[in-house]
Amino acid sequence: SAVISQKPSRDICQRGTSLTIQCQVDSQVTMMFWYRQQPGQSLTLIATANQGSEATYESGFVIDKFPISRPNLTFSTLTVSNMSPEDSSIYLCSVEVIGQGRGLGTEAFFGQGTRLTVV
Amino acid sequence: AQKITQTQPGMFVQEKEAVTLDCTYDTSDQSYGLFWYKQPSSGEMIFLIYQGSYDEQNATEGRYSLNFQKARKSANLVISASQLGDSAMYFCAMSFLKRGSGGYQKVTFGTGTKLQVIP
Repeated sequence: SAVISQKPSRDICQRGTSLTIQCQVDSQVTMMFWYRQQPGQSLTLIATANQGSEATYESGFVIDKFPISRPNLTFSTLTVSNMSPEDSSIYLCSVEVIGQGRGLGTEAFFGQGTRLTVV
Repeated sequence: AQKITQTQPGMFVQEKEAVTLDCTYDTSDQSYGLFWYKQPSSGEMIFLIYQGSYDEQNATEGRYSLNFQKARKSANLVISASQLGDSAMYFCAMSFLKRGSGGYQKVTFGTGTKLQVIP
């Protein structure tokens, strides 16, 4: 299993500013994932972060808006840049658990989330 | 493309009764995983149960069981003996191996079911 610590747990930010969210894992993991959950919605994958390479962004998300760092195998950050009220969401980091046999992990672990409100 | 469908936006259940939350999925992959997560109002995502596409037996974890019907592409969650603390959003999710870029497990989420347990 993996224990994920995510900071901050919540924040209220001014429009136009940026917020960096940290995700720390208690074990080394290959892939880390960042999700956004808008109010009343499901989770949407923002990007995948692999240590030592550029993050891979999903359609609709760009690096300039959501820069990601992955300096080592236990840590990642997501920055929400130039925020607007539409960025108010819960942001969650997740880790891949190395699969057994057929290449798929049996769990995807999540941090406790960062509840962001932009005013 | 992979898709998860949860048709019940909200459900009520009497305390101590059992409840079934529906989930259907669509994929052309032969190898995939199915998850259920619980999200209380605090926002964290709590892993409940996992079923692999090759697993012949239905997964069980305490009061949670997954009714896996592969031919119907359904993965319903059954919660037995509901408790007040079970009131939360429940998300069904599917993982599959996204090929390319080294390959990694990608998780797609349904829209969720809000369960309310009535005393």
